[in-house]
Amino acid sequence: KNEVEQSPQNLTAQEGEFITINCSYSVGISALHWLQQHPGGGIVSLFMLSSGKKKHGRLIATINIQEKHSSLHITASHPRDSAVYICAAFMKTSYDKVIFGPGTSLSVIP
Amino acid sequence: SQTIHQWPATLVQPVGSPLSLECTVEGTSNPNLYWYRQAAGRGLQLLFYSVGIGQISSEVPQNLSASRPQDRQFILSSKKLLLSDSGFYLCAWSPGRGQPQHFGDGTRLSIL
Repeated sequence: KNEVEQSPQNLTAQEGEFITINCSYSVGISALHWLQQHPGGGIVSLFMLSSGKKKHGRLIATINIQEKHSSLHITASHPRDSAVYICAAFMKTSYDKVIFGPGTSLSVIP
Repeated sequence: SQTIHQWPATLVQPVGSPLSLECTVEGTSNPNLYWYRQAAGRGLQLLFYSVGIGQISSEVPQNLSASRPQDRQFILSSKKLLLSDSGFYLCAWSPGRGQPQHFGDGTRLSIL
């Protein structure tokens, strides 16, 4: 079993739909990082959170430390949101050991 | 503002040839630096990290090595590439432990 898992693996949505991507982890973490990887491979940092909820534009990230679960929501999805979304768990170690989830490939159709 | 540069963007190399990928960060000092590899269809795997000049730690045994000759320069090398070294290599930096990591644009390495 992977230490960081994501669901769904692939997601196709119609433009305007509300999207949820889930991340669960089985290890103790200090924080969780949500990343967006564009088709060309470049990676952009979206959120880093250790509790509660963060919002930036149409993106919302939540985390429940007790349940070891985080979600990334996209409201009013748009084709430009098409990308791979990756959650990354920062381990409670002496250095920045990060375990990455396998990613969720999102395709938003006009 | 801080920027990270990674080059080349793509590279095709024969088996057994050497490798040198370079990453530099601007606009910050004493960053933590990381090299990751993303094999086809798989998640990111940490290869090396560095918290200072000359300080390199490795996560997994492999055919690659890393060096940090200057504060904001991180180099990934190999003396003889293997087919299994193919993948997408990403450099990243962070201001310190527990801080968000910022990624370069990556190098797509194909070994023939």
